[in-house]
Amino acid sequence: DQQVKQNSPSLSVQEGRISILNCDYTNSMFDYFLWYKKYPAEGPTFLISISSIKDKNEDGRFTVFLNKSAKHLSLHIVPSQPGDSAVYFCAASAVGGGADGLTFGKGTHLIIQP
Amino acid sequence: DTGVSQNPRHKITKRGQNVTFRCDPISEHNRLYWYRQTLGQGPEFLTYFQNEAQLEKSRLLSDRFSAERPKGSFSTLEIQRTEQGDSAMYLCASSLPGNSHEQYFGPGTRLTVT
Repeated sequence: DQQVKQNSPSLSVQEGRISILNCDYTNSMFDYFLWYKKYPAEGPTFLISISSIKDKNEDGRFTVFLNKSAKHLSLHIVPSQPGDSAVYFCAASAVGGGADGLTFGKGTHLIIQP
Repeated sequence: DTGVSQNPRHKITKRGQNVTFRCDPISEHNRLYWYRQTLGQGPEFLTYFQNEAQLEKSRLLSDRFSAERPKGSFSTLEIQRTEQGDSAMYLCASSLPGNSHEQYFGPGTRLTVT
């Protein structure tokens, strides 16, 4: 059973607009959430993270929002740039973190249209 | 290059053969993780080391799989008697002791079993 779900396999956004990627989770023990970006033939690259004690974390063009009651998080990219075209993975870590590894969603392929 | 490195990048083997992959983590990272990624899926956790100690194994890690990290530096993942279902991307990641949530991934080894 998927504990981390990314229900949109792909998303197309025009350059300069906002990209919003969504992620849902089912495990209440998750206390840390991360977004990774992956280009073809490369390993995932860490992008941004958020602890469960926060509801927002911002880093430049990237903002992650966490809604614990809904078990939902989202990644906002503003403004979207052509180099943002990649597969984005949502990942989560349980209490005690790290020891069990990260649990990943299936990914969302973001395509930025010129 | 001070990132995580993995060798080989590609491996083609016949069913029944043994294969071994190597991972060199970022030098100051004491935690090392192995993941497997198949097409259309996110990375799935296999096992985790803190220094030379293997602390966690996923149920995905069958008896044919063994991982070592003999001196707490590089790690090897061996698959014995490979099966076609073992075809996947094998990813290695490492993290700092104080921030195990944020894992830094290598480029992966793509295994094809024919």
